Amino acid sequence: DAKTTQPPSMDCAEGRAANLPCNHSTISGNEYVYWYRQIHSQGPQYIIHGLKNNETNEMASLIITEDRKSSTLILPHATLRDTAVYYCIVRPRSNDYKLSFGAGTTVTVRA
Amino acid sequence: IAGITQAPTSQILAAGRRMTLRCTQDMRHNAMYWYRQDLGLGLRLIHYSNTAGTTGKGEVPDGYSVSRANTDDFPLTLASAVPSQTSVYFCASSAQPGANVLTFGAGSRLTVL
Repeated sequence: DAKTTQPPSMDCAEGRAANLPCNHSTISGNEYVYWYRQIHSQGPQYIIHGLKNNETNEMASLIITEDRKSSTLILPHATLRDTAVYYCIVRPRSNDYKLSFGAGTTVTVRA
Repeated sequence: IAGITQAPTSQILAAGRRMTLRCTQDMRHNAMYWYRQDLGLGLRLIHYSNTAGTTGKGEVPDGYSVSRANTDDFPLTLASAVPSQTSVYFCASSAQPGANVLTFGAGSRLTVL
């Protein structure tokens, strides 16, 4: 799987948008970008995924650059409950591949 | 509520003892996974099962075994626990192997002394 690079931590003000970057410069054409998050003492939770088009769901938006070498997860109106570790993962959509989680970005939303 | 149930929530175990972590899902998912989470190392895949009756090795399978006798249950066994197996263990499932969305359990915290 392509390697991803995320900042180890970031702070965000409550009510503001949180923009979480992820670099995946070695991504190949068949690899998707996935985002998960893990709130303290809970299991990871799926957020969103995409291949090359921008995606939006009820939780977040995913912006993928045209060259696909980086992406940004956007939490439009961060709340205190969004404080978590956010994982960016790239992986082919194939049953031969399993999700590998790195260290992620620890996001702290402050009141 | 549909999801994954893990047991025990927490356990302290003497080194050398046998331990089985239980995982049950009620979503009729075909694929199931066991991950361990250690500080600074993220989540690492231990074993997986694409469907009932089949299992496979993940990144860190040594010292662990699994079985998948039916769709719902996927127990993880430590035959002879060692202190390096102190970790938080997460069970997960997906509708199909390689599916986009994994559902995770709440985790089992294991301490081996």
